[in-house]
Amino acid sequence: IAGITQAPTSQILAAGRRMTLRCTQDMRHNAMYWYRQDLGLGLRLIHYSNTAGTTGKGEVPDGYSVSRANTDDFPLTLASAVPSQTSVYFCASSPLAGGTGELFFGEGSRLTVL
Amino acid sequence: GENVEQHPSTLSVQEGDSAVIKCTYSDSASNYFPWYKQELGKGPQLIIDIRSNVGEKKDQRIAVTLNKTAKHFSLHITETQPEDSAVYFCAASIGTGGFKTIFGAGTRLFVKA
Repeated sequence: IAGITQAPTSQILAAGRRMTLRCTQDMRHNAMYWYRQDLGLGLRLIHYSNTAGTTGKGEVPDGYSVSRANTDDFPLTLASAVPSQTSVYFCASSPLAGGTGELFFGEGSRLTVL
Repeated sequence: GENVEQHPSTLSVQEGDSAVIKCTYSDSASNYFPWYKQELGKGPQLIIDIRSNVGEKKDQRIAVTLNKTAKHFSLHITETQPEDSAVYFCAASIGTGGFKTIFGAGTRLFVKA
């Protein structure tokens, strides 16, 4: 079982460019999340989706957008990347909407914006 | 919204000693408190969790305690081993539909052999 698959694993991007981080899960979980991890700040929620067709904003949503066209996929898009978006991005899923259960994380996507 | 503070940011212990990591949360409505372990180059993985109707939970060498009145919870690792070296995150969430898990800043644990 693959669980959560993220792509790319690493990317260097010029400022101003558009970038989409991909996330796919094979566990049929209802809820999916995007977090960014920065040293000293832990994991901060960017956007979430409790079920296909719905999304919501987390703690740090500005500059990011998401879509949830189906249960399995939850891409994160940076419309015009800026250096402050340099981070490690983690996609996660959970079987229960509402964050009451365990989160299953992908391996992360390391993004560098120059 | 919820705010979770975690201390210490770095912890170094000798193999065999105990390690304690403490967290506080701000929203009294939070009722689920998981702990995640993140090894280098990997995503975080759940190691233990506790719900607000329980004061303590233990799983082999790992235990978590919760004080709802004081709004703090702690992770205790006994008989530490080098493979316990990792970054540990506490988190809090509210069990209502559509809500999110908020994480602490993390503790980097070093276990010296």
